[in-house]
Amino acid sequence: AQSVTQPDIHITVSEGASLELRCNYSYGATPYLFWYVQSPGQGLQLLLKYFSGDTLVQGIKGFEAEFKRSQSSFNLRKPSVHWSDAAEYFCAVGMYGGSQGNLIFGKGTKLSVKP
Amino acid sequence: ETGVTQTPRHLVMGMTNKKSLKCEQHLGHNAMYWYKQSAKKPLELMFVYNFKEQTENNSVPSRFSPECPNSSHLFLHLHTLQPEDSALYLCASSQSLMDEQFFGPGTRLTVL
Repeated sequence: AQSVTQPDIHITVSEGASLELRCNYSYGATPYLFWYVQSPGQGLQLLLKYFSGDTLVQGIKGFEAEFKRSQSSFNLRKPSVHWSDAAEYFCAVGMYGGSQGNLIFGKGTKLSVKP
Repeated sequence: ETGVTQTPRHLVMGMTNKKSLKCEQHLGHNAMYWYKQSAKKPLELMFVYNFKEQTENNSVPSRFSPECPNSSHLFLHLHTLQPEDSALYLCASSQSLMDEQFFGPGTRLTVL
């Protein structure tokens, strides 16, 4: 069965420092992959997605992610974190070619930003 | 209104009450979803509708009853809930079942 693992429950970085949030997935076929962000009391906002093609994808707010098939990973990165990036980040995998629209989400990584 | 809206934003109900959550999408999408988000648990997909037809019921208890009268509106009818049903209920929509999902702000439900 497909699954998504976000190994870090909570990460704290200093403002201006670089960020990498880890995501590993388990899925037998070609996945389509997403990163979402959720601010407190809000719904989820799509940061970026990977369906096919270039394995380095650019998203909104200066985020990027790299799909590495050999490592079953889709890590999210940002070169310089801003205080407004403090939120919870969710990685999700969907079944490419499937018909159920079933996204499997990781448990999320909460990001805190120190001034 | 733009995007995906949900009402009410907050709801407190007793175990014997009947209430409904409403979701509306203004994106012209064909698929709509209900998710449950509990503390310390991953988002749980509850129901999926595609062109108003239910395509997924993820083993959700019958005290949750969805309704999709058209592609723009989705309801979740609640009755005889349990305290463990307290959670953030998120609605989402997508152009098709293969596309990225756009989420509403959620309804924070508390069952007393």
